[in-house]
Amino acid sequence: QQQVKQSPQSLIVQKGGISIINCAYENTAFDYFPWYQQFPGKGPALLIAIRPDVSEKKEGRFTISFNKSAKQFSLHIMDSQPGDSATYFCAAADRGSTLGRLYFGRGTQLTVWP
Amino acid sequence: SQTIHQWPATLVQPVGSPLSLECTVEGTSNPNLYWYRQAAGRGLQLLFYSVGIGQISSEVPQNLSASRPQDRQFILSSKKLLLSDSGFYLCACLPGGSPGYGYTFGSGTRLTVV
Repeated sequence: QQQVKQSPQSLIVQKGGISIINCAYENTAFDYFPWYQQFPGKGPALLIAIRPDVSEKKEGRFTISFNKSAKQFSLHIMDSQPGDSATYFCAAADRGSTLGRLYFGRGTQLTVWP
Repeated sequence: SQTIHQWPATLVQPVGSPLSLECTVEGTSNPNLYWYRQAAGRGLQLLFYSVGIGQISSEVPQNLSASRPQDRQFILSSKKLLLSDSGFYLCACLPGGSPGYGYTFGSGTRLTVV
């Protein structure tokens, strides 16, 4: 059972446009929601994360929007650049769990055309 | 901050040969450690996780095994590789066992079984 559902699977955006990736979860115990960015041949790197006590977090061109009642969260990349072309993974975790396990979405391959 | 060392970066092995991939962590003590596999163009599949020395949990039954002989050393092994074992293997670390700090991933090992 997929704990975190991510869409779309792939996304093509023009340079300067907005990239939007959506994720949904079911487990109400989840209280930590990070996004990871992965370039080809590299390991994923933490990009930005949010906790459910806030509805939005912004870091530069990257913004996470969080809707606790709908159990959904999304990543917005403003002014998308070709260097943003990568695979993006959303994830969720229960910070109270000693296993510390992150449940990942299946990833979105973003391509930004110049 | 923690650093994960994974080696080798690339490996080509014949079917039926043994495998040993090593992951070591710097900059933290008593971390949770994880092995993930990523098939080409696919998501992250959790294979094993460990919350302490000698403590290994397996997520999926398979041809692989894991060991944690030291606090910051995690080893992925196989006695006889199958073609289906090909993939990108990633080691991840969670400092202090709390997901609120996010995973750190290693740079990965690209395994091709021929």
